[in-house]
Amino acid sequence: GESVGLHLPTLSVQEGDNSIINCAYSNSASDYFIWYKQESGKGPQFIIDIRSNMDKRQGQRVTVLLNKTVKHLSLQIAATQPGDSAVYFCAENPKGNFGNEKLTFGTGTRLTIIP
Amino acid sequence: DGGITQSPKYLFRKEGQNVTLSCEQNLNHDAMYWYRQDPGQGLRLIYYSQIVNDFQKGDIAEGYSVSREKKESFPLTVTSAQKNPTAFYLCASSPWAGGEQYFGPGTRLTVT
Repeated sequence: GESVGLHLPTLSVQEGDNSIINCAYSNSASDYFIWYKQESGKGPQFIIDIRSNMDKRQGQRVTVLLNKTVKHLSLQIAATQPGDSAVYFCAENPKGNFGNEKLTFGTGTRLTIIP
Repeated sequence: DGGITQSPKYLFRKEGQNVTLSCEQNLNHDAMYWYRQDPGQGLRLIYYSQIVNDFQKGDIAEGYSVSREKKESFPLTVTSAQKNPTAFYLCASSPWAGGEQYFGPGTRLTVT
């Protein structure tokens, strides 16, 4: 089975509110994680990544938090906008950038922003 | 304008026919990947290539074939042996195997 999974398959958030999307991973050797956004009918787009030597990384309106103790990853989106409606995937590299040639993707969470 | 392209966006075929999906990248990436995505599902890896003239099977390679004769190109052939070929196919590339992957726009294949 997949080592990366999501707690909630769907999430609805009021426009302007903050959203949090969660991801659990089971491989303690994973040291590189990525969040992707996929809009309907399009390919996934890179949002933000984080390495295991960090526990937090911020981008524009997005923050990724990594808790290695409980093997949990989250994506926080601040001040959500209608354009944030999409499916969000987390992905992990079980051995880091150098050592494993594949990423493992979670099944995704559908985020819907309510106007 | 750098990026990864897939063509066509929509493809229709009759059952029993082989069909080849195109994937091209001008990012000078070494690694390339093919995924299949079914409605409401995640990404499943079909084949990947870490370098020219080399490729490996992913999790669902049966009924598919690939080639990697050029660094920028990684075409996928969906053969008649693939039992359920109707799906959304995504190609991706990465500067190195296991790194951040950049995705193309996808090809939606419908086989009837």
